[in-house]
Amino acid sequence: ETGVTQTPRHLVMGMTNKKSLKCEQHLGHNAMYWYKQSAKKPLELMFVYNFKEQTENNSVPSRFSPECPNSSHLFLHLHTLQPEDSALYLCASSQRQGGEKLFFGSGTQLSVL
Amino acid sequence: AQTVTQSQPEMSVQEAETVTLSCTYDTSESDYYLFWYKQPPSRQMILVIRQEAYKQQNATENRFSVNFQKAAKSFSLKISDSQLGDAAMYFCAYRSIQGAQKLVFGQGTRLTINP
Repeated sequence: ETGVTQTPRHLVMGMTNKKSLKCEQHLGHNAMYWYKQSAKKPLELMFVYNFKEQTENNSVPSRFSPECPNSSHLFLHLHTLQPEDSALYLCASSQRQGGEKLFFGSGTQLSVL
Repeated sequence: AQTVTQSQPEMSVQEAETVTLSCTYDTSESDYYLFWYKQPPSRQMILVIRQEAYKQQNATENRFSVNFQKAAKSFSLKISDSQLGDAAMYFCAYRSIQGAQKLVFGQGTRLTINP
């Protein structure tokens, strides 16, 4: 248990659905991250939040919409996704942005049909 | 932009033996951090070991050690006395100490431990 909890663990959705991924950290960290892990590709950083403010958007399509209501919670809202968006979505946190040690959740395995 | 390359998609080792996972990276910076992360079937990425580029001494954490060759831009991970619980995907990662300080990951190496 690293203190970063992601729900749901698995998600299957159609291309017209709207769903949200949730991440919660109990570590008192101030920075939170969304990563995308696709098969046979390196992890890709999607978004970074530092003290609830978005500081990084790595050219992510607008069908992915992040939300960070406070330093402990991070959401990823999904709508009109494509099959190629199927991947493992990992949330991570660190004491501050650029912190040396990232703590990861167990991810949400997303399948888009 | 920095890149990280892991040239071994899969590796296997006999239990109790030693295995070395390779990682090379490309950067023009002189100071940075390097990491090895482990991702077991539970999918949770766990930090295994960290190396600061300005330190010449290789980092060690119990059975895990690195061979950091700064001039060659090489950062290999050695696992001694391999255990069944070491089976996982291993990712090498690079982080700048300046700018956005983003972690850049390699493609990963799947390690299998044979009993």
